[in-house]
Amino acid sequence: GAGVSQSPSNKVTEKGKDVELRCDPISGHTALYWYRQRLGQGLEFLIYFQGNSAPDKSGLPSDRFSAERTGESVSTLTIQRTQQEDSAVYLCASSPARAGEQFFGPGTRLTVL
Amino acid sequence: QQQVKQSPQSLIVQKGGISIINCAYENTAFDYFPWYQQFPGKGPALLIAIRPDVSEKKEGRFTISFNKSAKQFSLHIMDSQPGDSATYFCAARDGGSQGNLIFGKGTKLSVKP
Repeated sequence: GAGVSQSPSNKVTEKGKDVELRCDPISGHTALYWYRQRLGQGLEFLIYFQGNSAPDKSGLPSDRFSAERTGESVSTLTIQRTQQEDSAVYLCASSPARAGEQFFGPGTRLTVL
Repeated sequence: QQQVKQSPQSLIVQKGGISIINCAYENTAFDYFPWYQQFPGKGPALLIAIRPDVSEKKEGRFTISFNKSAKQFSLHIMDSQPGDSATYFCAARDGGSQGNLIFGKGTKLSVKP
Protein backbone atom coordinates (compact mmCIF):
# COMPACT_ATOMS: atom_id res chain seq x y z
CA GLY A 1 0.00 0.00 0.00
CA ALA A 2 0.96 3.62 -0.36
CA GLY A 3 2.96 5.27 2.36
CA VAL A 4 2.64 8.76 3.73
CA SER A 5 2.84 11.36 0.98
CA GLN A 6 3.56 15.05 1.27
CA SER A 7 3.31 17.93 -1.14
CA PRO A 8 4.96 19.93 -2.39
CA SER A 9 8.35 18.26 -2.06
CA ASN A 10 10.04 21.67 -2.24
CA LYS A 11 8.69 25.14 -1.63
CA VAL A 12 10.57 28.40 -2.04
CA THR A 13 8.78 31.50 -0.82
CA GLU A 14 9.50 35.09 0.02
CA LYS A 15 9.57 36.38 3.55
CA GLY A 16 6.13 37.50 4.64
CA LYS A 17 4.17 35.17 2.36
CA ASP A 18 1.86 32.42 3.61
CA VAL A 19 2.51 28.76 2.73
CA GLU A 20 0.40 25.64 2.98
CA LEU A 21 1.90 22.17 3.24
CA ARG A 22 -0.09 19.01 2.69
CA CYS A 23 0.12 15.54 4.19
CA ASP A 24 -1.74 12.42 3.04
CA PRO A 25 -1.48 9.79 5.78
CA ILE A 26 -1.65 6.04 5.33
CA SER A 27 -5.29 5.02 4.94
CA GLY A 28 -6.80 3.94 8.24
CA HIS A 29 -4.18 5.63 10.41
CA THR A 30 -5.93 7.58 13.12
CA ALA A 31 -2.92 9.46 14.46
CA LEU A 32 -1.05 12.13 12.52
CA TYR A 33 2.01 14.13 13.59
CA TRP A 34 3.85 17.11 12.14
CA TYR A 35 7.55 17.63 12.87
CA ARG A 36 10.07 20.25 11.81
CA GLN A 37 13.65 19.32 10.96
CA ARG A 38 16.14 22.15 10.77
CA LEU A 39 19.43 21.60 8.98
CA GLY A 40 21.68 19.37 11.07
CA GLN A 41 19.11 19.06 13.82
CA GLY A 42 16.79 16.42 15.12
CA LEU A 43 13.06 16.43 14.56
CA GLU A 44 11.02 18.93 16.54
CA PHE A 45 7.41 18.01 17.36
CA LEU A 46 4.83 20.54 16.17
CA ILE A 47 1.29 19.16 16.41
CA TYR A 48 -0.61 15.88 16.86
CA PHE A 49 -4.06 14.77 15.66
CA GLN A 50 -5.88 11.69 16.94
CA GLY A 51 -9.19 10.89 15.29
CA ASN A 52 -11.78 13.53 16.08
CA SER A 53 -10.17 14.60 19.36
CA ALA A 54 -8.86 18.10 19.88
CA PRO A 55 -5.31 18.34 18.48
CA ASP A 56 -2.27 18.68 20.70
CA LYS A 57 -0.78 21.99 19.55
CA SER A 58 1.84 22.21 22.27
CA GLY A 59 4.77 22.13 19.85
CA LEU A 60 3.71 24.94 17.54
CA PRO A 61 6.43 27.62 17.82
CA SER A 62 4.19 30.65 17.29
CA ASP A 63 0.68 31.70 16.35
CA ARG A 64 1.82 31.99 12.73
CA PHE A 65 1.67 28.20 12.61
CA SER A 66 -1.61 26.31 12.37
CA ALA A 67 -2.76 22.94 11.13
CA GLU A 68 -6.01 21.25 10.24
CA ARG A 69 -7.14 17.73 9.69
CA THR A 70 -10.55 16.57 8.59
CA GLY A 71 -11.42 13.32 10.31
CA GLU A 72 -8.73 10.75 9.59
CA SER A 73 -7.71 12.10 6.21
CA VAL A 74 -5.52 14.81 4.78
CA SER A 75 -3.83 17.38 6.98
CA THR A 76 -2.53 20.82 6.05
CA LEU A 77 0.08 22.82 7.92
CA THR A 78 -0.14 26.56 7.31
CA ILE A 79 2.59 29.04 8.10
CA GLN A 80 1.55 32.68 7.87
CA ARG A 81 3.90 35.60 7.30
CA THR A 82 6.86 33.28 6.83
CA GLN A 83 10.23 34.22 8.31
CA GLN A 84 13.70 33.04 7.31
CA GLU A 85 13.94 30.97 10.48
CA ASP A 86 10.98 28.92 9.23
CA SER A 87 13.26 27.40 6.59
CA ALA A 88 13.38 23.67 7.34
CA VAL A 89 12.08 20.31 6.24
CA TYR A 90 8.55 19.71 7.49
CA LEU A 91 7.81 16.06 8.08
CA CYS A 92 4.49 14.38 8.56
CA ALA A 93 4.03 10.97 10.18
CA SER A 94 0.98 8.79 10.68
CA SER A 95 0.33 5.93 13.06
CA PRO A 96 -2.40 3.30 13.26
CA ALA A 97 -3.07 4.24 16.89
CA ARG A 98 -2.05 6.63 19.61
CA ALA A 99 1.55 5.84 20.58
CA GLY A 100 1.91 3.30 17.77
CA GLU A 101 4.79 3.07 15.30
CA GLN A 102 5.08 6.26 13.28
CA PHE A 103 5.52 6.12 9.51
CA PHE A 104 7.09 9.22 8.01
CA GLY A 105 6.54 10.92 4.69
CA PRO A 106 9.45 12.27 2.62
CA GLY A 107 8.95 15.80 3.89
CA THR A 108 8.53 19.24 2.36
CA ARG A 109 11.67 21.34 2.15
CA LEU A 110 10.68 24.97 2.80
CA THR A 111 13.05 27.77 1.92
CA VAL A 112 12.14 31.31 2.92
CA LEU A 113 14.17 33.94 1.07
CA GLN B 1 16.38 21.95 27.21
CA GLN B 2 17.53 18.96 25.23
CA GLN B 3 15.74 15.91 26.58
CA VAL B 4 17.58 13.35 24.46
CA LYS B 5 21.31 13.84 23.92
CA GLN B 6 22.94 11.96 21.06
CA SER B 7 26.59 11.42 20.22
CA PRO B 8 28.69 11.50 18.18
CA GLN B 9 27.46 14.05 15.67
CA SER B 10 29.28 12.22 12.89
CA LEU B 11 30.99 8.87 12.57
CA ILE B 12 33.24 7.30 9.97
CA VAL B 13 33.67 3.53 10.03
CA GLN B 14 35.43 1.11 7.74
CA LYS B 15 33.39 -1.56 5.98
CA GLY B 16 33.02 -4.55 8.27
CA GLY B 17 33.57 -2.51 11.42
CA ILE B 18 31.19 -1.81 14.31
CA SER B 19 29.32 1.49 14.43
CA ILE B 20 28.24 2.68 17.87
CA ILE B 21 25.91 5.60 18.53
CA ASN B 22 24.98 6.68 22.04
CA CYS B 23 22.00 8.46 23.53
CA ALA B 24 21.19 9.67 27.03
CA TYR B 25 17.95 10.92 28.54
CA GLU B 26 16.70 12.47 31.75
CA ASN B 27 12.95 11.91 31.82
CA THR B 28 12.16 8.68 33.68
CA ALA B 29 8.64 8.73 32.21
CA PHE B 30 10.02 7.72 28.81
CA ASP B 31 8.79 4.23 28.00
CA TYR B 32 9.75 3.61 24.39
CA PHE B 33 13.07 4.18 22.65
CA PRO B 34 13.19 3.84 18.86
CA TRP B 35 16.03 4.37 16.45
CA TYR B 36 15.32 5.87 13.05
CA GLN B 37 17.42 5.72 9.89
CA GLN B 38 17.21 8.56 7.40
CA PHE B 39 18.66 8.67 3.90
CA PRO B 40 19.08 12.00 2.09
CA GLY B 41 15.80 13.29 0.72
CA LYS B 42 13.76 10.70 2.57
CA GLY B 43 11.77 10.69 5.75
CA PRO B 44 13.06 8.77 8.76
CA ALA B 45 12.25 5.06 8.87
CA LEU B 46 11.99 2.99 12.03
CA LEU B 47 15.00 0.73 12.36
CA ILE B 48 14.65 -0.91 15.76
CA ALA B 49 13.06 -0.03 19.09
CA ILE B 50 13.24 -1.10 22.72
CA ARG B 51 11.22 -0.73 25.90
CA PRO B 52 12.92 -0.21 29.27
CA ASP B 53 12.01 -3.64 30.64
CA VAL B 54 14.75 -5.30 28.55
CA SER B 55 18.46 -4.55 28.39
CA GLU B 56 19.14 -5.58 24.81
CA LYS B 57 17.33 -6.14 21.55
CA LYS B 58 18.88 -7.51 18.40
CA GLU B 59 17.56 -7.53 14.87
CA GLY B 60 20.02 -8.79 12.31
CA ARG B 61 23.13 -6.61 12.39
CA PHE B 62 21.44 -3.97 14.56
CA THR B 63 21.43 -4.13 18.37
CA ILE B 64 20.10 -1.73 20.97
CA SER B 65 21.72 -1.84 24.39
CA PHE B 66 19.70 -0.21 27.16
CA ASN B 67 20.93 0.82 30.61
CA LYS B 68 17.96 1.97 32.66
CA SER B 69 19.92 2.97 35.75
CA ALA B 70 22.28 5.12 33.72
CA LYS B 71 19.45 6.39 31.50
CA GLN B 72 21.46 5.58 28.40
CA PHE B 73 20.90 3.53 25.30
CA SER B 74 23.00 2.82 22.27
CA LEU B 75 22.77 1.46 18.75
CA HIS B 76 25.38 -1.00 17.54
CA ILE B 77 25.69 -1.81 13.86
CA MET B 78 27.77 -4.92 13.34
CA ASP B 79 29.63 -5.61 10.07
CA SER B 80 28.85 -2.09 8.88
CA GLN B 81 28.27 -1.75 5.14
CA PRO B 82 28.44 1.26 2.79
CA GLY B 83 24.67 0.94 2.38
CA ASP B 84 24.32 1.73 6.10
CA SER B 85 25.62 5.25 5.42
CA ALA B 86 22.78 7.48 6.60
CA THR B 87 21.78 9.71 9.48
CA TYR B 88 20.59 7.89 12.57
CA PHE B 89 18.29 9.40 15.17
CA CYS B 90 17.50 8.07 18.59
CA ALA B 91 14.18 9.06 20.08
CA ALA B 92 12.12 8.64 23.21
CA ARG B 93 8.44 8.77 24.02
CA ASP B 94 6.79 9.89 27.23
CA GLY B 95 4.37 7.16 28.27
CA GLY B 96 1.89 9.75 29.49
CA SER B 97 2.00 11.81 26.33
CA GLN B 98 0.02 11.62 23.11
CA GLY B 99 2.78 9.59 21.54
CA ASN B 100 4.91 12.29 20.01
CA LEU B 101 8.56 11.40 19.91
CA ILE B 102 11.46 13.47 21.24
CA PHE B 103 14.45 13.10 18.96
CA GLY B 104 18.18 13.38 19.40
CA LYS B 105 20.05 15.63 16.99
CA GLY B 106 21.21 12.78 14.81
CA THR B 107 24.46 11.04 13.86
CA LYS B 108 25.70 11.07 10.30
CA LEU B 109 27.31 7.70 9.64
CA SER B 110 29.67 7.14 6.73
CA VAL B 111 30.89 3.62 6.06
CA LYS B 112 33.98 3.57 3.87
CA PRO B 113 34.46 0.67 1.44
